[in-house]
Amino acid sequence: AQSVTQLGSHVSVSEGALVLLRCNYSSSVPPYLFWYVQYPNQGLQLLLKYTTGATLVKGINGFEAEFKKSETSFHLTKPSAHMSDAAEYFCAVSSGGYQKVTFGIGTKLQVIP
Amino acid sequence: SQTIHQWPATLVQPVGSPLSLECTVEGTSNPNLYWYRQAAGRGLQLLFYSVGIGQISSEVPQNLSASRPQDRQFILSSKKLLLSDSGFYLCAWRVTGAGYQETQYFGPGTRLLVL
Repeated sequence: AQSVTQLGSHVSVSEGALVLLRCNYSSSVPPYLFWYVQYPNQGLQLLLKYTTGATLVKGINGFEAEFKKSETSFHLTKPSAHMSDAAEYFCAVSSGGYQKVTFGIGTKLQVIP
Repeated sequence: SQTIHQWPATLVQPVGSPLSLECTVEGTSNPNLYWYRQAAGRGLQLLFYSVGIGQISSEVPQNLSASRPQDRQFILSSKKLLLSDSGFYLCAWRVTGAGYQETQYFGPGTRLLVL
């Protein structure tokens, strides 16, 4: 079985401040992990993913995430928030079986000018 | 390159009416296809997935059904809509047989409001 927990359904940051969105996972086998972004009334767009190799993954729009096996975490960060980063972010885990991906409930990021 | 289409973009339907949402994928063959529903504060709920023509797996018992009449076409249906069917419906595809590290790619979604 696999599951994802996103801590904080709403996060507010000031423009230019650090963005930190938390994600913890549970998986019985080595997982593959994803972060997606969703803008209002649109589908989900892949930000980045971890499969194997380097644990620090860089994605689009200046985002990156670090896979920490000991902490079962895959937190998303960006050094400096931009107004255009305001969106909902979903963490997801895939660990085999039935080709399914399990998503977290999402975190809405608000960027304050 | 691959693209995924969904229609309609928005739909307002009365309770008890039928439903048909369509999803098509271009630029790939034999994809895995998925239907999700997104409700406020509940994240993405996987409704159905398909690994091939005519092969449908249901994740949750509900008022909905899915069909895959062609390799790159996935349809979500209902005979009688309920108020609780309102939500944002997302179709997704994934490369088949390549392992679970593969990314799911999402369509633009259909906003359904049942009144």
